[in-house]
Amino acid sequence: SAVISQKPSRDICQRGTSLTIQCQVDSQVTMMFWYRQQPGQSLTLIATANQGSEATYESGFVIDKFPISRPNLTFSTLTVSNMSPEDSSIYLCSTTDSHNEKLFFGSGTQLSVL
Amino acid sequence: GENVEQHPSTLSVQEGDSAVIKCTYSDSASNYFPWYKQELGKGPQLIIDIRSNVGEKKDQRIAVTLNKTAKHFSLHITETQPEDSAVYFCAASRLSGGYQKVTFGTGTKLQVIP
Repeated sequence: SAVISQKPSRDICQRGTSLTIQCQVDSQVTMMFWYRQQPGQSLTLIATANQGSEATYESGFVIDKFPISRPNLTFSTLTVSNMSPEDSSIYLCSTTDSHNEKLFFGSGTQLSVL
Repeated sequence: GENVEQHPSTLSVQEGDSAVIKCTYSDSASNYFPWYKQELGKGPQLIIDIRSNVGEKKDQRIAVTLNKTAKHFSLHITETQPEDSAVYFCAASRLSGGYQKVTFGTGTKLQVIP
């Protein structure tokens, strides 16, 4: 399975500011995914990021709020823009195995917005 | 879309006892069912999975069963140990747009009491 590194691991931010989360995979992968996990809740897919194309956002998530970059096959970033306390969550980067079946996750970024 | 329900939301067992977590899904096209373990401060870790053409799969103390007709699947942990304490998520997955679209359950917080 791919090793996925995320940073920062946690951050405390002021409302109205933006935070960019970085995700690095130790091998080239086609698809990368960004999930949100609100406190005590399940995982919700934010968007799918393919290298060389615009990210595909799920219902309820928009590019202006969560811009994503995917500059190459091992790296992606998610920015949480104009943050409010409701954005306090764990943000998780993930990718699949070579069969596009098993999903693997990074260790997550714990974001608190004051 | 797919809907995955998971029960119970919390589960406490004595060390050495068995734990069972149950999930139901709604989309008959779902064909892959992974289970994840999430420890505090970490990302979800894939612990076992089952495909729709298999009724049961076992890996040491962990087993998963699938009833396609009834659209439910379960995780069984035998001889529980304190290190099994974590949040467990079931998921149902189907092929969509060239990749597996995954829907997660709401999670079960398992506490193993020494």
